[in-house]
Amino acid sequence: QKEVEQNSGPLSVPEGAIASLNCTYSDRGSQSFFWYRQYSGKSPELIMSIYSNGDKEDGRFTAQLNKASQYVSLLIRDSQPSDSATYLCAVKGSGGSYIPTFGRGTSLIVHP
Amino acid sequence: DVKVTQSSRYLVKRTGEKVFLECVQDMDHENMFWYRQDPGLGLRLIYFSYDVKMKEKGDIPEGYSVSREKKERFSLILESASTNQTSMYLCASLGGDQETQYFGPGTRLLVL
Repeated sequence: QKEVEQNSGPLSVPEGAIASLNCTYSDRGSQSFFWYRQYSGKSPELIMSIYSNGDKEDGRFTAQLNKASQYVSLLIRDSQPSDSATYLCAVKGSGGSYIPTFGRGTSLIVHP
Repeated sequence: DVKVTQSSRYLVKRTGEKVFLECVQDMDHENMFWYRQDPGLGLRLIYFSYDVKMKEKGDIPEGYSVSREKKERFSLILESASTNQTSMYLCASLGGDQETQYFGPGTRLLVL
């Protein structure tokens, strides 16, 4: 059973701080890693994808991947109240599967 | 922009009713998915389809069936609705990159 683990939170950070969201996965052969943002009552939307070890930056968002340790993280710099949402980590495994396994999500609250 | 639409945002049904949830995507995607999302349980895959008339069971197919008669349309059927099927139902399609999932707005189903 492939597993993707996230701390459910809530993670509470003050406006302007860095929010750090973490995700671990069990399938060592996983190739593709995604972060989705889901606002309350809305559907998930993709914000970042990462495929190789290291950092990938997109605006205020940085995804970090460490395949040896089997974790992927998302950093949000200069957090804004509008970043308050649930963040879902998704991992695509090995063997050519195109179906991702989702974590249960981490709730982020950015307070003014 | 990819657009995935679902037939209803909110639905209230009685126990034992047959329920149809429809999903349409406008990007000629081959792969489509049905998930349900419940608090604390995250996204769980019910069924997916990789082509017209082709379907595969996901992690929780019991009590559900699907239909894909046309490429753009993927329907989820609850043969005899039960209260434990009260949930948020999310449809998704997989982009041409075989990486990005695009979600519909979701249908919140209440079974009384």
